[in-house]
Amino acid sequence: EAQVTQNPRYLITVTGKKLTVTCSQNMNHEYMSWYRQDPGLGLRQIYYSMNVEVTDKGDVPEGYKVSRKEKRNFPLILESPSPNQTSLYFCASRGGRDNSPLHFGNGTRLTVT
Amino acid sequence: QKEVEQDPGPLSVPEGAIVSLNCTYSNSAFQYFMWYRQYSRKGPELLMYTYSSGNKEDGRFTAQVDKSSKYISLFIRDSQPSDSATYLCAMSAGSSNTGKLIFGQGTTLQVKP
Repeated sequence: EAQVTQNPRYLITVTGKKLTVTCSQNMNHEYMSWYRQDPGLGLRQIYYSMNVEVTDKGDVPEGYKVSRKEKRNFPLILESPSPNQTSLYFCASRGGRDNSPLHFGNGTRLTVT
Repeated sequence: QKEVEQDPGPLSVPEGAIVSLNCTYSNSAFQYFMWYRQYSRKGPELLMYTYSSGNKEDGRFTAQVDKSSKYISLFIRDSQPSDSATYLCAMSAGSSNTGKLIFGQGTTLQVKP
């Protein structure tokens, strides 16, 4: 089954404790992206990657890092999480054409205390 | 001013009603228009995809794009309780902007039996 898989689904952590949210897709998609979803603000792009070893900032990149060492994986790293990063995070991927629709994972609910 | 505006609702209708969901946008370069449906605790899933102006129908769902008014709509006929979800509009300018999707805030719909 074609899918985008995120782990973990739920995560509670404390301020300053480094964490990684993993994302993997099995559709051989070049493009991958991370979003956060907050009430009243909708989906906002954090980082995206056009292909292996190619990453770029989205609209809200501060406090986040990403890497793209393999085509299928695109982890999101919070080096020193803060409470304002409490949010619902989604990983997404699409094929190489710029107008292809995005396929989303089922989300990671992160709480930083 | 946000690039894409969407009334967050919530919208509550009786089963069988016709539902109209709308988004307005300001960027005349947008060419690709999508509607995503998001169930609780799930990631957004693509519902409808249209290019440029016009209508597209798929079963009980019809998407309309009016580029002259910068206005898109999603109509749901014979609404069912299973249609209860958040509906997100999304749009992109295509290859002129790395295909970046801009999302509306989402409208929460409840269809009551």
